[in-house]
Amino acid sequence: RKEVEQDPGPFNVPEGATVAFNCTYSNSASQSFFWYRQDCRKEPKLLMSVYSSGNEDGRFTAQLNRASQYISLLIRDSKLSDSATYLCVVNMGDLYGGSQGNLIFGKGTKLSVKP
Amino acid sequence: EAQVTQNPRYLITVTGKKLTVTCSQNMNHEYMSWYRQDPGLGLRQIYYSMNVEVTDKGDVPEGYKVSRKEKRNFPLILESPSPNQTSLYFCASSPSLEEQYFGPGTRLTVT
Repeated sequence: RKEVEQDPGPFNVPEGATVAFNCTYSNSASQSFFWYRQDCRKEPKLLMSVYSSGNEDGRFTAQLNRASQYISLLIRDSKLSDSATYLCVVNMGDLYGGSQGNLIFGKGTKLSVKP
Repeated sequence: EAQVTQNPRYLITVTGKKLTVTCSQNMNHEYMSWYRQDPGLGLRQIYYSMNVEVTDKGDVPEGYKVSRKEKRNFPLILESPSPNQTSLYFCASSPSLEEQYFGPGTRLTVT
């Protein structure tokens, strides 16, 4: 069974805090990985792709651990504007006989940054 | 402006009345996809299309149909809607399965 599991939320943190989200996926043959951000009642938007070597974009760092089958997102120096739901997305590729368009979203982790 | 548009944005309908939600993108993307989002269940893929005339089932295709006759359009068809299809629907397009561009969503209520 295909699964993408995320940390249960919500995460309530003060401004300036560092917060980390983890996401596990069920099969080692998964092709590619992403973090999306979704604001309330809005469409999801790509935050970062996740590469094997890890990648950083300002205050955001994403890492992939293929051996343990999880990806992580670290947010440093949290801002009020970081409050949103963060979605882990895995491209399952042709793992289950389908094509590479089969994307599986985690249920999301809600982050609330307080003043 | 590069965008994905969906219509209608809001729709209330009755059980069994066929409806179509349109999706159009102006970015010449090959990949398009439909999702539904429900509380506690997250985003689930309904159908996707890797190119014109090529469509595949996602995780929850039952009760839905799609077509991809031209690159820019990917309509979602509910032949006989039921209350369990009440949901928030998103269309998305992508040039390469990396970044997906989502439409603004269609909130559908089936009574």
